Amino acid sequence: QSALTQPASVSESPGQSVTISCTGTSNDVGRFNSVSWYQHHPGKAPKVIIYGVNNRPSGVSDRFSASKSGNTASLTISGLLPEDEADYLCSSYTSNSSWVFGRGTKLTVL
Amino acid sequence: QVQLVQSGAEERRPGASVVLSCMASGYTFNDYYIHWVRQTPGQGPEWLGLINPTGGSTNYAQKFRGRVSMTRDTSTTTVYMELSSLRSEDTAVYSCARGVRGLHYFDLWGQGTLVIVSS
Repeated sequence: QSALTQPASVSESPGQSVTISCTGTSNDVGRFNSVSWYQHHPGKAPKVIIYGVNNRPSGVSDRFSASKSGNTASLTISGLLPEDEADYLCSSYTSNSSWVFGRGTKLTVL
Repeated sequence: QVQLVQSGAEERRPGASVVLSCMASGYTFNDYYIHWVRQTPGQGPEWLGLINPTGGSTNYAQKFRGRVSMTRDTSTTTVYMELSSLRSEDTAVYSCARGVRGLHYFDLWGQGTLVIVSS
């Protein structure tokens, strides 16, 4: 199972919006509504911010939103804050009854 | 406090085995799967498999079948992951993560355990 494809890095200014893509195949992202997104600050445990393509867990800011089209899922962060600077990981359930991750996208808030 | 607490760092020679533990607390142990995920520098996370604490059934990633084994002790709410025939490429941080049944995501992670495989 190949890793999902994410951009290695993105950067944007505070207050702006940024979108991070996550591309898989018809056997994972395209097949299931089971894409999740995680915010990962170095040295800390990952935190789920989106599950089931576009659902936010309780307590997650509504500045985080997500969608999916075909084999590509997208995470949008609006009104960027300095504390949003982190690595963002996507994950999907697959037709092999397994899970696959992206390599992560490093977000820099300039 | 709802948490997963993992055992400490390990160092092994190539060909050896390692057993890592993940102790769950603060929630009903049987209500969630426990997954194991590893991450190597420069690579994305890699899923190794999961165990269902209710009954102990497992599902391993094809890549690791024959080398990985996951068990649980319900009396101590602890999950164990053994990886055998270690090679240098297995050097990574191994994390356990709680899986929400039917929703296919991980809502709680352990702090990670560094495993170094070196001769």
